[in-house]
Amino acid sequence: DAGVTQSPTHLIKTRGQQVTLRCSPKSGHDTVSWYQQALGQGPQFIFQYYEEEERQRGNFPDRFSGHQFPNYSSELNVNALLLGDSALYLCASSPLSSGGPGYNEQFFGPGTRLTVL
Amino acid sequence: GQQLNQSPQSMFIQEGEDVSMNCTSSSIFNTWLWYKQEPGEGPVLLIALYKAGELTSNGRLTAQFGITRKDSFLNISASIPSDVGIYFCAGQLTGGTSYGKLTFGQGTILTVHP
Repeated sequence: DAGVTQSPTHLIKTRGQQVTLRCSPKSGHDTVSWYQQALGQGPQFIFQYYEEEERQRGNFPDRFSGHQFPNYSSELNVNALLLGDSALYLCASSPLSSGGPGYNEQFFGPGTRLTVL
Repeated sequence: GQQLNQSPQSMFIQEGEDVSMNCTSSSIFNTWLWYKQEPGEGPVLLIALYKAGELTSNGRLTAQFGITRKDSFLNISASIPSDVGIYFCAGQLTGGTSYGKLTFGQGTILTVHP
């Protein structure tokens, strides 16, 4: 049973560029959340996708956008990159709609390390 | 953004010792989760707590959901070298318009000396 997968593993961009990160949820999971983890900090919630719609959003600017596909995989897009966007971007999935035990437990992928120069 | 207050920030212990760490919040949560993160990897879920006062174990790990719903505790007994890593608490609120975003603490860095 594959866990949460993310691609690419590492990425280097320059200021002003745009980036797309990808996530495939754990089998049986339908909800995907994205987090940003700066060095030495805990992860910060960006947004959550369910049924192909953004359902909840954290305190991040509109430069951060996302998408969820019918197979539940998801993309995170960041436009007009800033130096401060350098971080580990984590995707987490959960079987929210199941309503069963552990329905809201979030399982994380290994992350994408983004460096903005 | 909002983060939980997690302490201690770091711990240096000898193999075999017990470890305690805690997490406090100004807000109420209805779920508390504890994660461990190792270098280059994403957080791994250790324990999930769903009821105030609940005490849950996972091997040598024991966690408790505080009665006030504003805190949680994690204990590790008889530590071993592979316990090294960063431990994060996370609070979660579900229901109404809250769909379960996780609010994380700053992490406790655990170092175990053989």
